[in-house]
Order: sequence, then C-alpha cells, then structure tokens
Amino acid sequence: EAQVTQNPRYLITVTGKKLTVTCSQNMNHEYMSWYRQDPGLGLRQIYYSMNVEVTDKGDVPEGYKVSRKEKRNFPLILESPSPNQTSLYFCASINSGRGFNNEQFFGPGTRLTVL
Amino acid sequence: DQQVKQNSPSLSVQEGRISILNCDYTNSMFDYFLWYKKYPAEGPTFLISISSIKDKNEDGRFTVFLNKSAKHLSLHIVPSQPGDSAVYFCAAGSGSARQLTFGSGTQLTVLP
Repeated sequence: EAQVTQNPRYLITVTGKKLTVTCSQNMNHEYMSWYRQDPGLGLRQIYYSMNVEVTDKGDVPEGYKVSRKEKRNFPLILESPSPNQTSLYFCASINSGRGFNNEQFFGPGTRLTVL
Repeated sequence: DQQVKQNSPSLSVQEGRISILNCDYTNSMFDYFLWYKKYPAEGPTFLISISSIKDKNEDGRFTVFLNKSAKHLSLHIVPSQPGDSAVYFCAAGSGSARQLTFGSGTQLTVLP
C-alpha cells in the first residue's frame, strides 16, 4: 500500500530536549515536505526537499532542521524545542509525474507538545 | 499576510443539499489550485484540482470553479453526505514548483 508514515504520532516533551520526527514514503517520490498546522493558520511549510541531499527552507523554518540522505526518508529535527513549536506536524511527498496536479500525499500527522 | 484565505471557518449543510466552500487568493502568480479534505487524526487527502487555464473541473459530486478575475475559487459538493463532514483546505501553487500555499480551512458539517 502506497503511504507516508510518521513517527511518533504523539509526543510530549520539555523545552530544550532534542527530538526527531521521522517520515518515510514508499512511493519513490523525489519531493518531500514538512508542514505544521496551527489553528486559524492552515498548513505552513517548514522545509522541503527536491531530492536526496537537496533541501530548502519553506515559510517557517526557524527552529527546525531536516536531512535527506535517502529518497524514502525525510526526518524533522528540533534541536532545542520551545513551547511555540507545539503544533500538529505533517510530512508529505509528491508524485512529480502527475503534471500540474502536484498532488501531495500526506502522512497521518504528529501532535507535538512542548512544555 | 495570508495569500490564500478561507474566510468561513465553519459551514453546516443539510444532507442532500449543496455545500459551497469558498477560497480567495491574492497572488496572481498562482496557476494551479487544489482542494484537500481532512478528517480528525488523519492527514489531508487530495480531493480535486484545477489549472488556471480552466474555469471548472468536475469529479463526481465535487466541482471546483475558478474565477481568475476575482481571484476566487469555490468547491461545490452536491449532494452533500454526512461522510463529507471534514475540514476542507484550499491550496495554491505556481509554475513547476512543488510548494503549496494553504488556506486556514473550513469545517464542513453535513447534518443527517
């Protein structure tokens, strides 16, 4: 089954404790992306990756890092989490072969709480 | 400054009637638009899209209309079903870039 998986699904942590949210896709997509969803703001892009070893900042990259060592994996790293990073996070990948649709396939989400 | 706006945070519709969800955008460079549906505890799923060269795209009960001069798009669901109850996001992009700008979402509730 084609899918995007994220782990963990729920995480409660404390300020300053480094954490990583993993994301993996089995569709051989080149493009992957991370979003955060906050009330009244919709989904905002954090970082994206056009291919292995190619990453770039989205709209809200501050406080986050990413890496893309393999095509299937795109982890999101919070080196020193702060309470304003409490949010719902989504990983997504795109089948670039779909032309103008640019349909993004989303993972199930990770709800992060930073105390 | 939000480039994609969904001004109605919620909408309630009776089962069998039409649901109309609206979206406005400000960036004239956007040339394709998508609608996503999101259920609680799940990621958004793609629903329907439209290119700026069209003004209408239809897929079963779902139709998206684009008015470029007004920078406005809408999603029509007819007939509405209780299973359509979800949050609907509109999104926009430009060129060959894969980045999408999302609206804030509209919670649709279809009442049986």
